[in-house]
Amino acid sequence: GAVVSQHPSWVICKSGTSVKIECRSLDFQATTMFWYRQFPKQSLMLMATSNEGSKATYEQGVEKDKFLINHASLTLSTLTVTSAHPEDSSFYICSAKKGGDYSNQPQHFGDGTRLSIL
Amino acid sequence: AQSVSQHNHHVILSEAASLELGCNYSYGGTVNLFWYVQYPGQHLQLLLKYFSGDPLVKGIKGFEAEFIKSKFSFNLRKPSVQWSDTAEYFCAASNQAGTALIFGKGTTLSVSS
Repeated sequence: GAVVSQHPSWVICKSGTSVKIECRSLDFQATTMFWYRQFPKQSLMLMATSNEGSKATYEQGVEKDKFLINHASLTLSTLTVTSAHPEDSSFYICSAKKGGDYSNQPQHFGDGTRLSIL
Repeated sequence: AQSVSQHNHHVILSEAASLELGCNYSYGGTVNLFWYVQYPGQHLQLLLKYFSGDPLVKGIKGFEAEFIKSKFSFNLRKPSVQWSDTAEYFCAASNQAGTALIFGKGTTLSVSS
């Protein structure tokens, strides 16, 4: 168990449009989901922590108005890149965690979404 | 500042060779440690994890890692690698709550048959 699905896997869009990426935990409930960004040949950088039913917690330097996160249910979190520009092009990866904090459960990762802004 | 560093960027081995990938962390407070693997074209998968207890942790596919608190290290080992172990390996650390996961830059392992 512990499968995380991310959709779409690849999206290309014009500059100025908004793009929504979905992250679903398929076989478990996740009170907490996480969004990461990965630049080529670099590590994953945590962007924000998404908590079901409450506002997301953003890491320093991440624009909350640019990257809107909604965690409306225990199995779905969405990341919307608003008014996307070429510098937002990247690989976005979500993860989900069974149980709450201090539950000694690892994060399980989705396949990632490659976003290309023209 | 919290950080995870992996010593090797790219490791090339022949099948049956032994593997050790270095990982050091800098993290205040109690830390949880992980090794993830990413096979070509696939998502990150958990290899093994350390939360507490026995510092020698055994994971899937014959991998193990040893937590040495005095050295702030969590090195990954495998006695005999296979061609199918070719992948990207990431060391990561989180706080005790399991949030704020920080990744190392990754090590690419190439195993030749």
